[in-house]
Amino acid sequence: QKEVEQNSGPLSVPEGAIASLNCTYSDRGSQSFFWYRQYSGKSPELIMFIYSNGDKEDGRFTAQLNKASQYVSLLIRDSQPSDSATYLCAVPPGASGYSTLTFGKGTMLLVSP
Amino acid sequence: DTGVSQNPRHKITKRGQNVTFRCDPISEHNRLYWYRQTLGQGPEFLTYFQNEAQLEKSRLLSDRFSAERPKGSFSTLEIQRTEQGDSAMYLCASSLLGPRDRGRSRNEQFFGPGTRLTVL
Repeated sequence: QKEVEQNSGPLSVPEGAIASLNCTYSDRGSQSFFWYRQYSGKSPELIMFIYSNGDKEDGRFTAQLNKASQYVSLLIRDSQPSDSATYLCAVPPGASGYSTLTFGKGTMLLVSP
Repeated sequence: DTGVSQNPRHKITKRGQNVTFRCDPISEHNRLYWYRQTLGQGPEFLTYFQNEAQLEKSRLLSDRFSAERPKGSFSTLEIQRTEQGDSAMYLCASSLLGPRDRGRSRNEQFFGPGTRLTVL
């Protein structure tokens, strides 16, 4: 059973701070990693993906991947109240990378004004 | 609207009834996925299609569940003899399986708004 683990939270940060969300995965063969944002009552929205070790930046978001440690994280700089949502880490099984996604349970982020 | 669409958005049914959901993917996308999500959990994979071929089904998909994508465009998910445990958000996603990126396919999946099923 391939697993994706996330702290359920909530993670509370003040407006303007950096929010750090973490995810570990069990399948050493996984090659691609996705972060989705899900507002309450809505469907998941893709916000970042990363394939290579290291950092990938997109606006206020930075994804970090460490395959040796089987760890992927999402940093949100200058957090805004509108960032309050559940963040889901998703990993396709195996080395192919183009198949189904296994999701973590998500981490709820609360950004206070 | 060029995103993934799903209908109906909400469905309330009585236990034992059959229900059918529809998903229209992003027009050029060749892969279509069905997931189910319950409160406090991440989406769980049910099945997926590449064009009209159903390539994989989860062990979660009991024989009461059936999915089709007859012309490789829209898809339907039918649940027969619904049970209260079927109450969940049913999510559809689509992706374009295209050229590989350094040996890895860029298979980003985009979700529709979901169909919330309540079985009484």
